[in-house]
Amino acid sequence: DIQMTQSPSSLSASVGDRVSITCRASQSIGTWLAWYQQKPGKAPNLLIYTASNLESGVSSRFSGSGFGTEFTLTISSLQPDDFATYYCQHYNSFPYTFGQGTKLEIK
Amino acid sequence: QVQLVQSGAEVKQPGASVRVSCKASGYTFSAYNRHIHWVRQAPGQGLEWMGWINPNTGGTKYAQKFQGRVTMTRDTSISTAYMDLSRLISDDTAIYYCVREVSGFDSWGQGTLVTVSS
Repeated sequence: DIQMTQSPSSLSASVGDRVSITCRASQSIGTWLAWYQQKPGKAPNLLIYTASNLESGVSSRFSGSGFGTEFTLTISSLQPDDFATYYCQHYNSFPYTFGQGTKLEIK
Repeated sequence: QVQLVQSGAEVKQPGASVRVSCKASGYTFSAYNRHIHWVRQAPGQGLEWMGWINPNTGGTKYAQKFQGRVTMTRDTSISTAYMDLSRLISDDTAIYYCVREVSGFDSWGQGTLVTVSS
C-alpha cells in the first residue's frame, strides 16, 4: 500500500499569511493526488485534483504543485474561512489512502 | 447539482450489522467513470478509505482491512449505493461517507454516524 505523510501535523498562522503544507508518498504516484479541506462537523471538500488543478468554485488563493512523491498545497493569503483541517489523498492505485491531516489554526 | 443523500444515524450492538444507503441525484448514476467510494472517519480522527463500487458494472474493490466484513452494492433503478458492514465492534464507531469520484472525490454525502455500543 502507498503511505501518505503530511507535514506539519498542525500549523498556526495569521490572516494574510502565506502557508504551505507538504505531502509525501511512499512511492511514485505521478500526479494522482488530491487535496481536501474539512471544517468541524462537515464533510471534506475537494480543493485540488491531479496535483495542481483547482476544483471549480474554489478560491484561486489555493494552489497545488508536485509530481512523483512530493507535493505541496499553498494558500497564498490566509482568510478567516481557511482555518480548517487539510488532507492529501492519492488515487494512483487501490487502496486509495489519505494523509493524516494538517490542522491549520489561527495564531 | 450533484447530490449524495445518505441514510440516517444508526446505533448498533457489537456483533451486529449495519447498512448505509447513498442516493445520488443530479447526474447519471451509472455513467462511465462515476465511481462511488466509501470513506469513514472515527471521532477526532482522519479519513479512512474503505472501498469502491463501479455503479455501471457492480464491480467492487475493498480495503484489505475490511475484506470479509464489508459489502458494497448498488441499485441502478433508484440511483442508490449501499454499504453493509458486519460483525461490528466499538472501533467501527465513525461517520461513514459515500463519495463520488470523477477526478478526486468531488461530491460527498452528508455522512452517517454509526455508533457501536452495548
